[in-house]
Order: sequence, then structure tokens, then C-alpha cells
Amino acid sequence: KAGVTQTPRYLIKTRGQQVTLSCSPISGHRSVSWYQQTPGQGLQFLFEYFSETQRNKGNFPGRFSGRQFSNSRSEMNVSTLELGDSALYLCASSDLVSVNEQFFGPGTRLTVL
Amino acid sequence: TQLLEQSPQFLSIQEGENLTVYCNSSSVFSSLQWYRQEPGEGPVLLVTVVTGGEVKKLKRLTFQFGDARKDSSLHITAAQPGDTGLYLCAGVGNNNDMRFGAGTRLTVKP
Repeated sequence: KAGVTQTPRYLIKTRGQQVTLSCSPISGHRSVSWYQQTPGQGLQFLFEYFSETQRNKGNFPGRFSGRQFSNSRSEMNVSTLELGDSALYLCASSDLVSVNEQFFGPGTRLTVL
Repeated sequence: TQLLEQSPQFLSIQEGENLTVYCNSSSVFSSLQWYRQEPGEGPVLLVTVVTGGEVKKLKRLTFQFGDARKDSSLHITAAQPGDTGLYLCAGVGNNNDMRFGAGTRLTVKP
């Protein structure tokens, strides 16, 4: 099986812009979670989607949003970018049987100038 | 403030040495996971511990879950340069929410 894929791998944006990141889970996995990773804060949970519904949400402002499509692919969107949004954004998928065993993608490195 | 505190934050040792890294919390978890992350990649799951007091061994790695299910440790015997990476612990709460520590960055020098 192919692993979790994320696109793009690298992205440079300026303050005030918006960005959309994409994640394709492992085939058959219906749960997709998003995380923000920074050197100071580590991995911070953004949200989790299951069967096109947001099932869990972390403590991030409303500028961060996501969605999941019927094929389980997921996107996250960040509007009105701030310098502090620069981070590695990781997507992880899991199946129904072992929902806590997450498989991570390589991440999208976002730099906000 | 991190829900899960990992220590040390950085660790640099010589090949062949032993080491232990710690993951501590004031919260109780239904399970706890350890991941390793290498540069340019996402974290990879190493182990899941579920039962208080549980010990799991994975070749030269030994994982222990505290009796109260609030803390965990990872011990590496005879470290090798291939063990270099960021080691992350993650606690799973009662409603399946997962929280990560900030990680221990390990460097093993040849």
C-alpha cells in the first residue's frame, strides 16, 4: 500500500494570504488528523476528520479549517496567514480497527514571510 | 504548557552508550505511544503501551508505562548512529484524543 501523501511539500506565503494543504490517506483509512509542528511547541493537534465529519478539534483559531471528501482525502486551509503560522503541517491517517495507530505523511513545510 | 513533558530536550552521546528518555504528565492516559521522526519525514510509530506497569522490548529499545499510566520511559541499549532522531511520546485520552510531547532530540555520534 502507498503511504500517506501530502502536497505540496514546501510552500512560501506572505502575511495575510491564505493557503490550502492536501492529504491523501492510506487506501482504506477513513480517519485523517492534522497536526502543526514547531520547534518550540512540538506537535499540536489541529483536527480529526472521519467519514467527512470533523470528530475532534484542537485549540486553534477559526482561521484554521479543514474538510474531508468522500474518498477520505482531506484538505486544511489557513486564512489570513501570520508569521507564527510557519511550521511543518503533518497529516496522519488511521483505520477503524486500530484507530490510535496513526501513519504520518512527510508533512508540508509552510514558511510565512 | 505541554500536557506531556519530555526530558531531556536534547541528548548527544557516543555510539555504544546507553540512554533513557522520559515522558511525564499529570494526566492519566488510556494508552501511550512512542514515535521516532527523522528529518524531512513524519513520525513513525515505534510502540503502543496500554497497561500500567507494562514493559515492551523492541530489539535494543525498552519501553515502560508507569503504574499510574501517567508517565513512560524509553531506554536504548548500545545506541547506534541509526538511532539518531526526534523521539516523541503521545498520550491517548479517554475520548481518543491524542496529545504529543515536544520530543527528545537524540544524536548518536559514531
